[in-house]
Parts: sequence; structure tokens; C-alpha cells
Amino acid sequence: GDSVTQMEGPVTLSEEAFLTINCTYTATGYPSLFWYVQYPGEGLQLLLKATKADDKGSNKGFEATYRKETTSFHLEKGSVQVSDSAVYFCALIPIPTSGTYKYIFGTGTRLKVLA
Amino acid sequence: EAGVVQSPRYKIIEKKQPVAFWCNPISGHNTLYWYLQNLGQGPELLIRYENEEAVDDSQLPKDRFSAERLKGVDSTLKIQPAELGDSAVYLCASSPSYSGDQETQYFGPGTRLLVL
Repeated sequence: GDSVTQMEGPVTLSEEAFLTINCTYTATGYPSLFWYVQYPGEGLQLLLKATKADDKGSNKGFEATYRKETTSFHLEKGSVQVSDSAVYFCALIPIPTSGTYKYIFGTGTRLKVLA
Repeated sequence: EAGVVQSPRYKIIEKKQPVAFWCNPISGHNTLYWYLQNLGQGPELLIRYENEEAVDDSQLPKDRFSAERLKGVDSTLKIQPAELGDSAVYLCASSPSYSGDQETQYFGPGTRLLVL
């Protein structure tokens, strides 16, 4: 079945370091891909998304490129800040049928940024 | 614009007791979701509503879990009786029905349940 695999955390970085959180997926065809972020005590928030191959989603300095050939959607940021400390979830929606948009989430990767 | 509201934020109960969670989605969002998030895991869908109709409840353990969305706006998720393994965070999310943004779901802060 469809699935999402994320790198295990926690990931601990110093401020201004480069961030990569790996995400690979298994799905039929061309699913839509997402990164959600969950700050402490808050709900998940959409960070960025990409809906077709080679699309690049970006937001708040974060980027991820939809790579069909490697079935990946790695999250990157050039210079992290303490405020980026959160849990990051990679997710996909399989090709929707009958208007169903059903997320499949990865297990999440906790990021801790030290000042 | 107000976000998805959930209450309570935290709940501690003893096993075999009933518990209920409430969710008010973003105004105008016809689709409402309840998710279960175990510690260290991603959210897993329990039930999805389109207006007042439950259109996907295949993952809802119906022997002890029930949900309702009587007027197609706010929703209640109930567990009766609760078991130790139900300790988790229960997330509510909503999404608009208009084309162009149906894929994005807006999550509430969740209710953290601890069953003793």
C-alpha cells in the first residue's frame, strides 16, 4: 500500500546550520506531497506542498522538490533558526478517487535548533 | 479568521470511563476529520465527514468509538469505555470544499488523553 518514510529524529543543529530531512514515499502514479510542521502545543500546519513531478514547494525559507525518479520529497533549509524547532511530518495524498483527499503521514522528525 | 478549535486540551480519566472531545472547524469548511496521533507517530485518520455525513469511518473502532456532526458544523468524538491503549492525542482538522484548496487540511491543537 501507499506509505511515507521519514528519517528518524531527533535532529539537533546549531543556529544557521543547513537542514535536510529526508522523506521517501511509495505510491501509485503521481500523489500530491506535503510537509506539515507541528510546533510545541499546536496543531499541524501546512508548510509546503507539491502536486506534480519536479515541482518545488517553498515557504519560510524551506524548500522541497518532488522527485519522481527517486520517489523523494526531502525538506531543506539553508539556515535554521531556534524558532524552527518543531516536529516535521511528510505526507502524501494518493491520487484522489471520488473526491477523497486522504493523507498518509510519516512518523515525524523532531528538529531541535540550538542557539 | 479563527482556526480549528478543540476542547478540552487535556483530559485524564480512569480506564472504563467515558470521554468526549469537541471540535469546531473553520467557518465554511464542509469537510471535517478526526485523527488519532500516538506518541512518536504521524496522525492516522479515524473518520471523515462531508457536512453531516460520515463518508469514511473505516478506521474507527466502532465497538467503543463513536462520532457525530449533527448540524454539519461542530463535531464530537466519544470513547466508551476508554482503555489504557487509547492514551494519545486526538486531532481534528477541516478543509474547504471549494476547488483549488481541497487538499489542504487545517488542524486544531488536539486533545491529549491520558487513560490511567
